[in-house]
Amino acid sequence: DSGVTQTPKHLITATGQRVTLRCSPRSGDLSVYWYQQSLDQGLQFLIQYYNGEERAKGNILERFSAQQFPDLHSELNLSSLELGDSALYFCASSGPGSRTQYFGPGTRLLVL
Amino acid sequence: QKEVEQDPGPLSVPEGAIVSLNCTYSNSAFQYFMWYRQYSRKGPELLMYTYSSGNKEDGRFTAQVDKSSKYISLFIRDSQPSDSATYLCAMSAGNYGGATNKLIFGTGTLLAVQP
Repeated sequence: DSGVTQTPKHLITATGQRVTLRCSPRSGDLSVYWYQQSLDQGLQFLIQYYNGEERAKGNILERFSAQQFPDLHSELNLSSLELGDSALYFCASSGPGSRTQYFGPGTRLLVL
Repeated sequence: QKEVEQDPGPLSVPEGAIVSLNCTYSNSAFQYFMWYRQYSRKGPELLMYTYSSGNKEDGRFTAQVDKSSKYISLFIRDSQPSDSATYLCAMSAGNYGGATNKLIFGTGTLLAVQP
């Protein structure tokens, strides 16, 4: 158990819908990272937050957004969902000054 | 060309064998190198972390980094059926040159250790 929690574990929804994925980092970690894992693209970095502020963006679609709250949990919002958004979404966290990231169990999203 | 290349396998070995997993990369700014193990439908689990070039050993696992060749390796000694998983290399430039700490992953190598 990495100490990073993610909810829900599974999500099934329809095209055009909007979903919210939630992540709680390890105790003491200030950075939260979101990654998407699909069969054809592998693990891809989406976005990073540090202590409530956006730090970096990767291959994140405009339909996707995220935020980190004062209690440091983070949410990833996916809207106008398409079939191609079906994937595993992972959250990772790291401590101040640390280079290592610890991953949560992921949310499996299926868009029908 | 991808920044990080990794042979997807699958790699099948008998129990007790020494396993060698490798990645190459093109970005010379990478300084931090990690290996993750991912079981089916689970989150990646951090196995090894190495900064810059050199070797690091932890139990049955040894990680090697050769920055001059842009090549990293993970060796697993006395492999066990429980080692059967996908192994992902990952690397980061840290905050060098304004880069973030985001991880760039290889595609993963699927390993099967046969009893």
